[in-house]
Amino acid sequence: NAGVTQTPKFQVLKTGQSMTLQCAQDMNHNSMYWYRQDPGMGLRLIYYSASEGTTDKGEVPNGYNVSRLNKREFSLRLESAAPSQTSVYFCACSELLLRSSNSPLHFGNGTRLTVT
Amino acid sequence: KNEVEQSPQNLTAQEGEFITINCSYSVGISALHWLQQHPGGGIVSLFMLSSGKKKHGRLIATINIQEKHSSLHITASHPRDSAVYICAVRRMDSNYQLIWGAGTKLIIKP
Repeated sequence: NAGVTQTPKFQVLKTGQSMTLQCAQDMNHNSMYWYRQDPGMGLRLIYYSASEGTTDKGEVPNGYNVSRLNKREFSLRLESAAPSQTSVYFCACSELLLRSSNSPLHFGNGTRLTVT
Repeated sequence: KNEVEQSPQNLTAQEGEFITINCSYSVGISALHWLQQHPGGGIVSLFMLSSGKKKHGRLIATINIQEKHSSLHITASHPRDSAVYICAVRRMDSNYQLIWGAGTKLIIKP
């Protein structure tokens, strides 16, 4: 099993360009998350999807949109990239919405995005 | 002040040493996660605990809910343990929100 697959692994954008980060999981998990990781800071939640058909804002949603296409796929879109969005982006999934102490998070390998 | 503080920020040790990484938090929690981030960037969940102690191989995690403190121990450390170790807590009043520590960068020298 691949687990959680993110594409692309690396991306360089110019300010104002748009792009979509793709995430797919084959674990049949209900909940999916997008985080960003910046140097010296903890991960910050951008958006999450408790289950297929629902999405909600996390801590830092501005400048992003998401789509939960089906149970497997959860994409993150930057409509007009800004240098402040230079970061490493991680997709994750969990069986339940972290409600249970037995719901670990499973992460993708990350997308390193640079906006110039 | 951050709600989740890890110490130390950086730790370098010799192979074979006993390692302790600490995590203190200031909010009510329902669970605490320890994760490992490899030099290549991948993040792996090591433990989730809400009380007591858990052990997996050479890794031991403990939590003291009253003191709002958790420790991750590595026995007989090895260079392959070199990674960033991250503590994250699940707030008691939230179904989804994790508050993340900034991580402890561990280097084990052969």
